[in-house]
Amino acid sequence: DAGVIQSPRHEVTEMGQEVTLRCKPISGHDYLFWYRQTMMRGLELLIYFNNNVPIDDSGMPEDRFSAKMPNASFSTLKIQPSEPRDSAVYFCASRSSGDKQFFGPGTRLTVL
Amino acid sequence: LAKTTQPISMDSYEGQEVNITCSHNNIATNDYITWYQQFPSQGPRFIIQGYKTKVTNEVASLFIPADRKSSTLSLPRVSLSDTAVYYCLVGEFTGGGNKLTFGTGTQLKVEL
Repeated sequence: DAGVIQSPRHEVTEMGQEVTLRCKPISGHDYLFWYRQTMMRGLELLIYFNNNVPIDDSGMPEDRFSAKMPNASFSTLKIQPSEPRDSAVYFCASRSSGDKQFFGPGTRLTVL
Repeated sequence: LAKTTQPISMDSYEGQEVNITCSHNNIATNDYITWYQQFPSQGPRFIIQGYKTKVTNEVASLFIPADRKSSTLSLPRVSLSDTAVYYCLVGEFTGGGNKLTFGTGTQLKVEL
């Protein structure tokens, strides 16, 4: 298994632009998580899905952030419009019921 | 959510045993205790998980006292490659609750 796949690995954009981060979870995993990591705030859970349905999005910082999971093998995290304070590493993780989370390599986002 | 408290950093030498203690005073009945390891520029990686008493795998041991208000991750005979950030998480894994909170983590530095 290739593990959790994220793309792009690095993204540099300008303030005000739309950013879309992508994640492919491990096949068979029915939970998917989006995290954000910064030096100041550490690793924060933004949202998680179960069977493609968003369960808890209380960690999403504001309306500029949105996440979707159209099917079991794909999820996106979108920021529109992006701001410099959104600069961080965004991780996607997946797991099956009652098991450990597997993290992807992350997307390093820089908003200028 | 159960909040965790860990030391910010620890130093050790190769070959020594390292014990990292995590406090989680308001752990709930259904909560499990999970530890993750994170190297720079990588996503966190699962190390060990437990509910009570002691759990051991090929990498580490996890000690949980009867009141479950704390836990200790034990790394036997550390090497330079164990230099990483270690996170203690508390959360439940039943279908209804799946939210885990990563604290600030403990930066372990292993030297020769």
